[in-house]
Amino acid sequence: QVQLVESGGGLVKPGGSLRLSCAASGFTFSDYYMSWIRQAPGKGLEWVSYISSSDSTIYYADSVKGRFTISRDNAKNSLYLQMNSLRAEDTAIYYCARDPEGTGLDLWGQGTLVTVSS
Amino acid sequence: DIVMTQTPLSLSVTPGQPASISCRSSQSLLHDDGTTYFYWYLQKPGQSPQLLIYEVSSRFSGVPDRFSGSGSGTDFTLKISRVEAEDVGVYYCMQGIDVPYTFGQGTKLEIK
Repeated sequence: QVQLVESGGGLVKPGGSLRLSCAASGFTFSDYYMSWIRQAPGKGLEWVSYISSSDSTIYYADSVKGRFTISRDNAKNSLYLQMNSLRAEDTAIYYCARDPEGTGLDLWGQGTLVTVSS
Repeated sequence: DIVMTQTPLSLSVTPGQPASISCRSSQSLLHDDGTTYFYWYLQKPGQSPQLLIYEVSSRFSGVPDRFSGSGSGTDFTLKISRVEAEDVGVYYCMQGIDVPYTFGQGTKLEIK
């Protein structure tokens, strides 16, 4: 079954860290760029970061640059987002999405909720 | 950053009637390679977003043909020929020509 499953969300204090994971199955993970997108409670979608298939190209939104690190392990069919120096405004559902060139974000996970609060 | 502006922000439609959502980008989404990197997504209540339309007018796999996309450059439209109850949710446009990818504010479609 073609799917993405995120994990690792939870409650963390401001300034804390969290590592999100996204497990891919049912397709050749190493062939695809991957993205993280987030959605604050009751708000719209915000792209966070993407990584190329061989992790040679990585981009971040300005709002997370220097604090978040995207990575992948093609042998484990997994995508990661290391989030440091978390702020209240990072509170959101974080989705991973498959990002085939030109076709848009064509497969999304169910999301994992990150809450940053003291 | 490229700004994506959707109108209207909400829509109430009688089943069987058409609906239309517009999206305007702050700069052209036509790439030198000839591709226009513009997409439509639907987020149904309580669900993750799903891709409806890619490259302006191509329906993604499994998307009913009552959905159609059109436009060019900076102005784009999503049309639903006959709205059904299952079409409720929030529709987002997105540009993928440049990072950061940016989304429109979303258009909430409800059924009358």
